[in-house]
Amino acid sequence: EAQVTQNPRYLITVTGKKLTVTCSQNMNHEYMSWYRQDPGLGLRQIYYSMNVEVTDKGDVPEGYKVSRKEKRNFPLILESPSPNQTSLYFCASSSAGEAGYTFGSGTRLTVV
Amino acid sequence: DAKTTQPPSMDCAEGRAANLPCNHSTISGNEYVYWYRQIHSQGPQYIIHGLKNNETNEMASLIITEDRKSSTLILPHATLRDTAVYYCIVRVRTSNTGKLIFGQGTTLQVKP
Repeated sequence: EAQVTQNPRYLITVTGKKLTVTCSQNMNHEYMSWYRQDPGLGLRQIYYSMNVEVTDKGDVPEGYKVSRKEKRNFPLILESPSPNQTSLYFCASSSAGEAGYTFGSGTRLTVV
Repeated sequence: DAKTTQPPSMDCAEGRAANLPCNHSTISGNEYVYWYRQIHSQGPQYIIHGLKNNETNEMASLIITEDRKSSTLILPHATLRDTAVYYCIVRVRTSNTGKLIFGQGTTLQVKP
């Protein structure tokens, strides 16, 4: 089944403890993105990648890192999480020539 | 990317057609109209897209006015499972950022 898989689905962590949210797609898509969703602010793009080893900042990149060493994986790294990074995170992927993005099921992160 | 305007909420009776409007008066000639929906806190789901012709797929129909300044998403026979937030997004098909700009969308409540 074609899908974008994020892990974990839920995570509670403490301020400053480094964490990684994984994202993997099995559709050989070139484009991958990370979004966060917050009440009243909607979905906002954090980082995106157009292909392997090509990444760039979205609208809200502060406090996050990403890497794209392989086409299928696009992990989101929080080196020193803070409470304002408590949010619902989505990974998405798309083929370069197609219209529709496929989203993962989301990761609900709480930083205390 | 052009801005879109959608009503914040709508109700629809189960089994009836749901018609969700979207205004995009500043749309450019190379921008497509996309529709996504988000059920509860799941990942957004691509529904349909179009440039200027009406489009239909297994999920919905998209009607775009001749001047392309507005469009309507039609769910022909709404079910309770169609209760969701529906987002109308306007963007070029192949973007340098792969970014989707989500507004506040329309919350569709399908009632029995």
